[in-house]
Amino acid sequence: LAKTTQPISMDSYEGQEVNITCSHNNIATNDYITWYQQFPSQGPRFIIQGYKTKVTNEVASLFIPADRKSSTLSLPRVSLSDTAVYYCLVGVPPDSWGKLQFGAGTQVVVTP
Amino acid sequence: NAGVTQTPKFRILKIGQSMTLQCTQDMNHNYMYWYRQDPGMGLKLIYYSVGAGITDKGEVPNGYNVSRSTTEDFPLRLELAAPSQTSVYFCASSSGDRYEQYFGPGTRLTVT
Repeated sequence: LAKTTQPISMDSYEGQEVNITCSHNNIATNDYITWYQQFPSQGPRFIIQGYKTKVTNEVASLFIPADRKSSTLSLPRVSLSDTAVYYCLVGVPPDSWGKLQFGAGTQVVVTP
Repeated sequence: NAGVTQTPKFRILKIGQSMTLQCTQDMNHNYMYWYRQDPGMGLKLIYYSVGAGITDKGEVPNGYNVSRSTTEDFPLRLELAAPSQTSVYFCASSSGDRYEQYFGPGTRLTVT
């Protein structure tokens, strides 16, 4: 499985846009990129997934350049409730689903 | 739908005791997973199952056992509890062909 690298932490103010970049240099042709969000004392929650270019849903956008060696999760106009840990995972269901690794993730702290 | 439920929410064990963590999902998912999360760390996969009667080891299986007799249930057994097993345990499920895993609320286990 492709190894992923993310920043350990990021700070932001309410109303700003937060961009978290994940590096995955060894991504395979069939791999998808998936992001999860985890609040304290809760299990992770799926946010978004994509294969290439840009994907947007009601929560976030995911930007994937043509070489797919990195991806950027964009959280628009964050609020205090977006304070959480964000995980980037790379793999292809169902083959890699038993081998997925949640790294330490990126701790995002949003302050007023 | 209740999604993924886990019991108990909290448990304190003495060294050498045994216990079973229960996990049930009502989404008819084929794939189920057990993770552990130590403080400030990411999730580590303990065991996973791709269907009733089929289980496989994850990254950190030592000290644990699982069984999957039904689609809905995936209990995790701890034998001879050790302080190193103090952690939060999350159960998750997915349909396998999709990228989204659904997580339970977790069980906080302390071994003293």
